[in-house]
Amino acid sequence: AIQLTQSPSSLSASVGDRVTITCRASQGISSALAWYQQKPGKAPKLLIYDASSLESGVPSRFSGSGSGTDFTLTISSLQPEDFATYYCQQFNNYPLTFGGGTKVEIK
Amino acid sequence: EVQLVESGGVVVQPGGSLRLSCAASGFTFDDYAMHWVRQAPGKGLEWVSLISWDGGSTYYADSVKGRFTISRDNSKNSLYLQMNSLRAEDTALYYCAKDISGGGVNSGTFDYWGQGTLVTVSS
Repeated sequence: AIQLTQSPSSLSASVGDRVTITCRASQGISSALAWYQQKPGKAPKLLIYDASSLESGVPSRFSGSGSGTDFTLTISSLQPEDFATYYCQQFNNYPLTFGGGTKVEIK
Repeated sequence: EVQLVESGGVVVQPGGSLRLSCAASGFTFDDYAMHWVRQAPGKGLEWVSLISWDGGSTYYADSVKGRFTISRDNSKNSLYLQMNSLRAEDTALYYCAKDISGGGVNSGTFDYWGQGTLVTVSS
């Protein structure tokens, strides 16, 4: 199975900060990567698919980039509602796999 | 509005069986692949299984292969997960999720999720 390694596992940031989360795949997955946001007690929400395509209704401060094995989720200006856990997920091969998550906390 | 409502989660003993259901509405159910994804308490997300739009193709995580069976009834807009030989490590919140791509494509990306149903495996 393809392993996805997210870093960092957690971070503290302030409102207005630029935040970058990375996801590294154990083998090349082309652009078959998605990013999800999950808030406590809630289901995950799709943010980015195909590595860089913004899901409808998601604010433009979220962006994704990368291909092959290295991917990035960037929040250009962190907002109070963005404090959550973020997961990457690959869909290049079965079994589908998720990264371990990155918790974004308030500094 | 797309809605996915899971049910069937209970406390069950190790070795027991359980069937989860997911009622779908707000979209053309038989046009989309569907998934089950689980989350153990305080842990990350784990994909469990996929079924194609017509039920003709199914895929499973290695951790559940041979014990879980995914199925669907398009006439009832419903998705199911039959869980047998349950283990303590199957304890989790089980989410039903819709695949983003229609038209018979299994993209493996989840654009809508239910709120989950909790399965606890304990004696």
